[in-house]
Amino acid sequence: SQQGEEDPQALSIQEGENATMNCSYKTSINNLQWYRQNSGRGLVHLILIRSNEREKHSGRLRVTLDTSKKSSSLLITASRAADTASYFCATALIQGAQKLVFGQGTRLTINP
Amino acid sequence: DAGVIQSPRHEVTEMGQEVTLRCKPISGHDYLFWYRQTMMRGLELLIYFNNNVPIDDSGMPEDRFSAKMPNASFSTLKIQPSEPRDSAVYFCASSQYSNQPQHFGDGTRLSIL
Repeated sequence: SQQGEEDPQALSIQEGENATMNCSYKTSINNLQWYRQNSGRGLVHLILIRSNEREKHSGRLRVTLDTSKKSSSLLITASRAADTASYFCATALIQGAQKLVFGQGTRLTINP
Repeated sequence: DAGVIQSPRHEVTEMGQEVTLRCKPISGHDYLFWYRQTMMRGLELLIYFNNNVPIDDSGMPEDRFSAKMPNASFSTLKIQPSEPRDSAVYFCASSQYSNQPQHFGDGTRLSIL
């Protein structure tokens, strides 16, 4: 069964705007990770947030984690055309944290 | 640094043929993962290895699928016999330790006719 569910499934915005993607999950986690996938390529790790962390930043990326609501969000600020990709959240369960369960992804399109 | 290397990048073959996908993980990484990605089912974990030993193969769909890791620098995923429903993109990924990010190859796009 799917552990992570992203919302929205697709998002289209203008270059320079901020993009927010959400992820909900069902069971307790060790950590949650966000990945990006460009068309025809493999997934690229963006950021990892542990269950005892609430917010993390990396460049133009900001990730929040609310374990009480079992949800996370990824914010990309000042979007660029190169940010066009699919974004996936992946959860690592407490038992067997090396095993990730991926959501279906959000398809982000940045219009110039 | 070389990332995870998968071969071939594309494979087209007829139903019933044996298919072998190959993966070279990042040197020094203890974990190796095989995933399958389809539009319908998304990204599914098939099997993963720790120090060359298969740990969890619960995602392998059928006995037609098998995976091996004869040494720390090489793994194969084999499908025999192949079926059209096996058509998908197959990814290999590796990570250094548990709880660490995974590094993905660019995948093998498999088409079974």
